[in-house]
Amino acid sequence: KAGVTQTPRYLIKTRGQQVTLSCSPISGHRSVSWYQQTPGQGLQFLFEYFSETQRNKGNFPGRFSGRQFSNSRSEMNVSTLELGDSALYLCASSLDGKEGETQYFGPGTRLLVL
Amino acid sequence: AQKVTQAQTEISVVEKEDVTLDCVYETRDTTYYLFWYKQPPSGELVFLIRRNSFDEQNEISGRYSWNFQKSTSSFNFTITASQVVDSAVYFCALSELVGEYGNKLVFGAGTILRVKS
Repeated sequence: KAGVTQTPRYLIKTRGQQVTLSCSPISGHRSVSWYQQTPGQGLQFLFEYFSETQRNKGNFPGRFSGRQFSNSRSEMNVSTLELGDSALYLCASSLDGKEGETQYFGPGTRLLVL
Repeated sequence: AQKVTQAQTEISVVEKEDVTLDCVYETRDTTYYLFWYKQPPSGELVFLIRRNSFDEQNEISGRYSWNFQKSTSSFNFTITASQVVDSAVYFCALSELVGEYGNKLVFGAGTILRVKS
């Protein structure tokens, strides 16, 4: 099976712009989670989608949003970019997102905000 | 709230040495799940192992072994005869049930392992 894929792999934006990141889960996986990784804060949970619905959201401002399509592919959007949004954004998929299910991660998208 | 502590920020060893990465967790749940992931320079988090709170048996997979001790809330990871390819950042994580459905991973800060030839 193909693993989790994320596009683009690298992105450079300027403050105030918006960005959309894409994630394709492992075939058959219906739950997609997003995490932000920064040197200062480490790995932090952004949100989780299942059956096109956001089930859970981490402690991030409303500028961070996402959606999931009927084929389980997911996108996350960050509007009005700030310098502090520079990070590695990781997407993970699991079968149903049940407690304790293993999450498999993609290669990430490295976002640099100038 | 759940918490994972990886006190070792960075470890350097010489190839063929054994190395143990420590992980201490905090949870009030009686049922919980622990994970280890490896992050090579490419950035992808590679799943290594999943352990539930009811299974206290130690596990060995090739050069990797894990020691789960509920009494000390620890889930340590040992690499035997380390190799340069083991150089990476290793994360310990705890699964936290969020709401009625779904779960999120709470990660430790990670341990950078450098294996020198």
